[in-house]
Amino acid sequence: DSGVTQTPKHLITATGQRVTLRCSPRSGDLSVYWYQQSLDQGLQFLIQYYNGEERAKGNILERFSAQQFPDLHSELNLSSLELGDSALYFCASSSQTSVNEQFFGPGTRLTVL
Amino acid sequence: AQKVTQAQTEISVVEKEDVTLDCVYETRDTTYYLFWYKQPPSGELVFLIRRNSFDEQNEISGRYSWNFQKSTSSFNFTITASQVVDSAVYFCAYGGTSYGKLTFGQGTILTVHP
Repeated sequence: DSGVTQTPKHLITATGQRVTLRCSPRSGDLSVYWYQQSLDQGLQFLIQYYNGEERAKGNILERFSAQQFPDLHSELNLSSLELGDSALYFCASSSQTSVNEQFFGPGTRLTVL
Repeated sequence: AQKVTQAQTEISVVEKEDVTLDCVYETRDTTYYLFWYKQPPSGELVFLIRRNSFDEQNEISGRYSWNFQKSTSSFNFTITASQVVDSAVYFCAYGGTSYGKLTFGQGTILTVHP
């Protein structure tokens, strides 16, 4: 158990809908990262937050947005969903002193029908 | 930009065979980190090892060993006496020091047959 929690574990929805994925980092970790794992693109970095502020952005679509709240949990919002958004979405967290040592949550499997 | 290449898409071995998973990276950074993660069929990503660019010593952990060669930009992973439980997708990843994101290779699917 990495200490990173993600909810829900599975999510099935329809095209055009909007969903929110939630992540709670390990206790004390200030950084949260979101990654998408799809068959087409592999494992890709989406976005990073550090202590509530956006720190880095990767290949994140404009339809997607994220935020990190004062209690350090993070949410990834996916809107106007398309079939191609079906993927496994991972959240990871790291400490301030070891930014590269990322601990991954169990992932949320999103299926868009 | 950094790039990680795992040329072996799939590897199939019989239990007790040794197997090496290759990883080659490209970077202009002088300081960086390299990682291996395991993704079993259950889907979670399990951290295996982190190596920084200044430490080229090989590392052994039980049946696992890692060979880091900066001269060839490679960070290969060997499983000795493979077991069925080693069946998983293995990812090599690169991380810089000024930013936290990881760049992953495409992964190698390892299947160990009994």
